[in-house]
Amino acid sequence: NAGVTQTPKFQVLKTGQSMTLQCAQDMNHEYMSWYRQDPGMGLRLIHYSVGAGITDQGEVPNGYNVSRSTTEDFPLRLLSAAPSQTSVYFCASSTPRTGPNTEAFFGQGTRLTVV
Amino acid sequence: AQSVTQLDSQVPVFEEAPVELRCNYSSSVSVYLFWYVQYPNQGLQLLLKYLSGSTLVKGINGFEAEFNKSQTSFHLRKPSVHISDTAEYFCAVKVIGGNKLVFGAGTILRVKS
Repeated sequence: NAGVTQTPKFQVLKTGQSMTLQCAQDMNHEYMSWYRQDPGMGLRLIHYSVGAGITDQGEVPNGYNVSRSTTEDFPLRLLSAAPSQTSVYFCASSTPRTGPNTEAFFGQGTRLTVV
Repeated sequence: AQSVTQLDSQVPVFEEAPVELRCNYSSSVSVYLFWYVQYPNQGLQLLLKYLSGSTLVKGINGFEAEFNKSQTSFHLRKPSVHISDTAEYFCAVKVIGGNKLVFGAGTILRVKS
């Protein structure tokens, strides 16, 4: 059982370049989300999705786009990278909202550096 | 809106000593509470969670946490730490019936020999 798979693990971009961070889960979870992790700030929610075709903004959405064409995949796009987007990015998928099994599962992260 | 405050950014402790990592939360509605651990260069792994019932929750690797509703706290404890417990620990809350996890800033636990 692979869980949540993120690619790539590391990436260096030049300012202004675009790229897509990939996220896939094989647990048939409806809810998926993207976070960025910065020192001393914990994890902040970028975008989330409650099911295929439905996405919404989180706490820090500027500079990022998402789409959810299938239950399994939730890619995050940087349209024009900026140094402020240097961070570690985590994708997560979650079990039902209530009940004893409620839990979020995280990928291994993508470490992005924008120069 | 919900918020989480982790009162210590770093906690140094000697091996085999007890440790407490503090977490306070703010919410106008009932929440679930979680502690996650992140080992260096890895993703987040669930340590334990409080959903309802007994306020003392036991998790993996000998950790436990106690929910205190009146003090809106969910402190994490371990009676005797090991070098391998060196990691960053995150407290998080989720509104019951909701999806979004709100995280604290994290506490780095450094276990020294």
